[in-house]
Amino acid sequence: GQNIDQPTEMTATEGAIVQINCTYQTSGFNGLFWYQQHAGEAPTFLSYNVLDGLEEKGRFSSFLSRSKGYSYLLLKELQMKDSASYLCAVRDEGQNFVFGPGTRLSVLP
Amino acid sequence: EAGVVQSPRYKIIEKKQPVAFWCNPISGHNTLYWYRQNLGQGPELLIRYENEEAVDDSQLPKDRFSAERLKGVDSTLKIQPAELGDSAVYLCASSSPSYEQYFGPGTRLTVT
Repeated sequence: GQNIDQPTEMTATEGAIVQINCTYQTSGFNGLFWYQQHAGEAPTFLSYNVLDGLEEKGRFSSFLSRSKGYSYLLLKELQMKDSASYLCAVRDEGQNFVFGPGTRLSVLP
Repeated sequence: EAGVVQSPRYKIIEKKQPVAFWCNPISGHNTLYWYRQNLGQGPELLIRYENEEAVDDSQLPKDRFSAERLKGVDSTLKIQPAELGDSAVYLCASSSPSYEQYFGPGTRLTVT
């Protein structure tokens, strides 16, 4: 079966750094994606990893270890607007996107 | 560039009634997805199209759900008859060969 795990909720303080972890077991692997979803809105693309290592994009970075089935999303210099759900998704051997349950991040002042 | 367009944005129906959702993907995107998202959960794939061909509909409840993508552009997802458990947000997404997937705003369905 396919399984993607993420923490359900996280809380962090404005200006801090937070790391959201994701572990996966899927039928095949064709890339790992992170999406941000604000309440009542559609998911928006944040990052994509297909090779091991760190991808940096401004305040957001994403890391992948294929041998461990593990990824994390790192958010630096947190802002109030970063309060949202963060979805980890794997593109499997059938080219379908399998999503995790999402991590709801609350940024406190 | 226009994004993925969906309509309606909200729909309230009584159980056993039919309902249809419409999606217009980003121009040039051959791949189109329909997802269902329940509150507090990630999107779950219902069906994926490559052009006009449904290449994966294994998660589509075929007894009551149907979908079509005529001419490989717009798509319609239908539920008939709707059940209480169908209340969810129905998301349409499209992607290009670059693998990035873009979502529409979704249709929030409430079945009473």
